[in-house]
Amino acid sequence: GAGVSQSPRYKVAKRGQDVALRCDPISGHVSLFWYQQALGQGPEFLTYFQNEAQLDKSGLPSDRFFAERPEGSVSTLKIQRTQQEDSAVYLCASSLVGSVADTQYFGPGTRLTVL
Amino acid sequence: ELKVEQNPLFLSMQEGKNYTIYCNYSTTSDRLYWYRQDPGKSLESLFVLLSNGAVKQEGRLMASLDTKARLSTLHITAAVHDLSATYFCAVERALNFGKGTSLLVTP
Repeated sequence: GAGVSQSPRYKVAKRGQDVALRCDPISGHVSLFWYQQALGQGPEFLTYFQNEAQLDKSGLPSDRFFAERPEGSVSTLKIQRTQQEDSAVYLCASSLVGSVADTQYFGPGTRLTVL
Repeated sequence: ELKVEQNPLFLSMQEGKNYTIYCNYSTTSDRLYWYRQDPGKSLESLFVLLSNGAVKQEGRLMASLDTKARLSTLHITAAVHDLSATYFCAVERALNFGKGTSLLVTP
């Protein structure tokens, strides 16, 4: 079946521009996570949704980062006034709440480069 | 603050050899995950370990969990080139990842 998809796969932005990154989770997956992965590092947690509720946003690095999932399916991560330090791969993952293991399935990521 | 430490961070090993990657974490956790990441690709789930003493095996990889020691190991048996990748361990539901172990298997 279809996995987690993300778009765009690559995004180049000039410093100060706003960007929006989209995530389509696996159908029926209740939980959705966003992570930021800098080059050569492990992913770092940004935020978590259960259905449309954002239950944890403790990892968002600043108030320039905003995420939403208005209908409990597709999610958008928005970054306002991008800075060079925002350059990273942004990974989205979804999981099926209720399963014991609660394994997260990751999308291919969006590579953001801020010039 | 939960810390997850992996070692080694880089590992070059010959085909046919065995080796172990270690993952230590700083606070109690009820679950531990191992993921694989190929260059330029996303993360692929390998194992989920949920209880003390849990052991799971898939092909040449075997993962174990000791919750008392807050330690998980990923053991590689008779390495082959296809295993070359970066391996991450992660704990908790909102995954806290280690820095990853870059594995290179050479002839």
